[in-house]
Amino acid sequence: EVQLVESGGGLVQPGGSLRLSCAASGFTFSSYEMNWVRQAPGKGLEWVSYISSSGSTIYYADSVKGRFTISRDNAKNSLYLQMNSLRAEDTAVYYCAREQPAVRGVIITSYYFDYWGQGTLVTVSS
Amino acid sequence: DIQMTQSPSSLSASVGDRVTITCRASQSISSYLNWYQQKPGKAPKLLIYAASSLQSGVPSRFSGSGSGTDFTLTISSLQPEDFATYYCQQSYSTLPFTFGPGTKVDIK
Repeated sequence: EVQLVESGGGLVQPGGSLRLSCAASGFTFSSYEMNWVRQAPGKGLEWVSYISSSGSTIYYADSVKGRFTISRDNAKNSLYLQMNSLRAEDTAVYYCAREQPAVRGVIITSYYFDYWGQGTLVTVSS
Repeated sequence: DIQMTQSPSSLSASVGDRVTITCRASQSISSYLNWYQQKPGKAPKLLIYAASSLQSGVPSRFSGSGSGTDFTLTISSLQPEDFATYYCQQSYSTLPFTFGPGTKVDIK
């Protein structure tokens, strides 16, 4: 059974740092691209960051670029999000999500997030 | 970045109703469109990928259609467990894979 379990959330003061972890099991973690998605209280979903299966390709949302760092340890089946210079607007539930390509024959017709963790709440407040 | 809109933002419906939610992209995204369901306090759940492919384990009353800029999620006969918020997501070209603002389906 595929499982993604986030941890590391909590209350942090503005300007502070936090490191989130996502422990993966039930699949070959090193074969999959991974993402972080967040959801502010009462708001919609916002994609945060992407990392390729090897870790060689990384993308960030403009809202977190320069402050957040995504990484992975394939030997430990773990995904990470280092969050620095935190702001009140970073308050959200953070989800890790596995990415899959939709393939029809040899053509990719979409990319989608097929498994999500339960989320970890990050609250930035003084 | 590609912007996604959804309509309506909320709707009230009864069990057994046919429900249709629309998602529109700011530019053509071919079939790179996914639909998720989210219940309060829970993680999103994939329903439909590549515009019309039903994710394994998802009931067949859910269906998706469309291509280019206009897409539709249809629930053929609304069930009590379907009351939730639904999000579309585009995954065309390079990141970010933006989500729509969501459509909340509640009980009439």
